[in-house]
Amino acid sequence: EAGVAQSPRYKIIEKRQSVAFWCNPISGHATLYWYQQILGQGPKLLIQFQNNGVVDDSQLPKDRFSAERLKGVDSTLKIQPAKLEDSAVYLCASSLGPGVSSGANVLTFGAGSRLTVL
Amino acid sequence: DAKTTQPPSMDCAEGRAANLPCNHSTISGNEYVYWYRQIHSQGPQYIIHGLKNNETNEMASLIITEDRKSSTLILPHATLRDTAVYYCIVRPYFGNEKLTFGTGTRLTIIP
Repeated sequence: EAGVAQSPRYKIIEKRQSVAFWCNPISGHATLYWYQQILGQGPKLLIQFQNNGVVDDSQLPKDRFSAERLKGVDSTLKIQPAKLEDSAVYLCASSLGPGVSSGANVLTFGAGSRLTVL
Repeated sequence: DAKTTQPPSMDCAEGRAANLPCNHSTISGNEYVYWYRQIHSQGPQYIIHGLKNNETNEMASLIITEDRKSSTLILPHATLRDTAVYYCIVRPYFGNEKLTFGTGTRLTIIP
């Protein structure tokens, strides 16, 4: 099966500019996640969607970050305006979703989008 | 906050078994233990998961203690390509609770 697709792979912007990342999950996966990974740290969940509804966005800096998942498939994560501390890899992942088997909660990650803010 | 404790780094000789420990002393009855790894410049990759019985797949074996307070991931014959950061995570198998990563163990396979 095709994996989780993300674009762009790399992006360099100046602070106060805006940027958008796109994610196409595995077909049939109901749950979609955006993680932020700062160099040297583990991934931190920004937002979790179940179909096109938000399950958890408690760690999303809502004053500058926004995300949507229209029609419950693709998703876009936007940062506006960007700050220096937003330099990180943005990882998208998907899973079948909550279900009766433990395997339904296994996440498949994309390769990530590396953002550098100057 | 992550519910697991792992050593920050480990070395293992190529061809040997790599044994990565994880402490999860506060694990709940409905929580599984999941292992992921992240090779440099890639997204995390699922390895294996288990509840209370030992599990084995084509990548690794997972040994969970009887009291479920700790586990060990075993890579039976480590190769250079197994050099990565390994994350141990506990999460309920049912429901939408988020997958929370800690800092993991950086495993280096030495030729």
